[in-house]
Amino acid sequence: DTAVSQTPKYLVTQMGNDKSIKCEQNLGHDTMYWYKQDSKKFLKIMFSYNNKELIINETVPNRFSPKSPDKAHLNLHINSLELGDSAVYFCASSQDLVAGVNEQFFGPGTRLTVL
Amino acid sequence: SQQGEEDPQALSIQEGENATMNCSYKTSINNLQWYRQNSGRGLVHLILIRSNEREKHSGRLRVTLDTSKKSSSLLITASRAADTASYFCATDGGAQKLVFGQGTRLTINP
Repeated sequence: DTAVSQTPKYLVTQMGNDKSIKCEQNLGHDTMYWYKQDSKKFLKIMFSYNNKELIINETVPNRFSPKSPDKAHLNLHINSLELGDSAVYFCASSQDLVAGVNEQFFGPGTRLTVL
Repeated sequence: SQQGEEDPQALSIQEGENATMNCSYKTSINNLQWYRQNSGRGLVHLILIRSNEREKHSGRLRVTLDTSKKSSSLLITASRAADTASYFCATDGGAQKLVFGQGTRLTINP
């Protein structure tokens, strides 16, 4: 009965590889997000989707491609991984599109380590 | 650029004491939220305060908002070991997204 789930929890890979992180929410929310948290705990939004439509792309390199097959899922695919991509990636969801109106529900995070 | 900045960056107190964390932001907001992050976990929403509110309570949490100073504070009363976590403020920095500060790392010593 987890609200927002992500897989995998840990991901260790070599530079240049392509990897995906999956996210699912069972809250019936319309909006989903991807955040990146760096080693200094700074949390920054990467993307948001509303009903499968891309709303925010926060100047993220095009090596990152989100895909939303339905409004309950938002996956993140990363091509040609670089050392600087090492971080914790969080998926989140909220009921409404307008930020700040409702709380966001976060997944447990995926710790990506690029060697 | 970063919207919210928490102060202090780290805080260590004894169990039972009160903990106060502050957040400053730069632009006008509609709402401000506080989140908690336990080590190795995702963020958990604590409280939302609207721009027309000055104070809000939830259990042992008290949040204040001063829009004239563009600042908010989170007070945790009668702290417990389980309150050890990082605390983040988040503002609606422009439409459709939340902008988070860097967080205050709170340690409650038994």
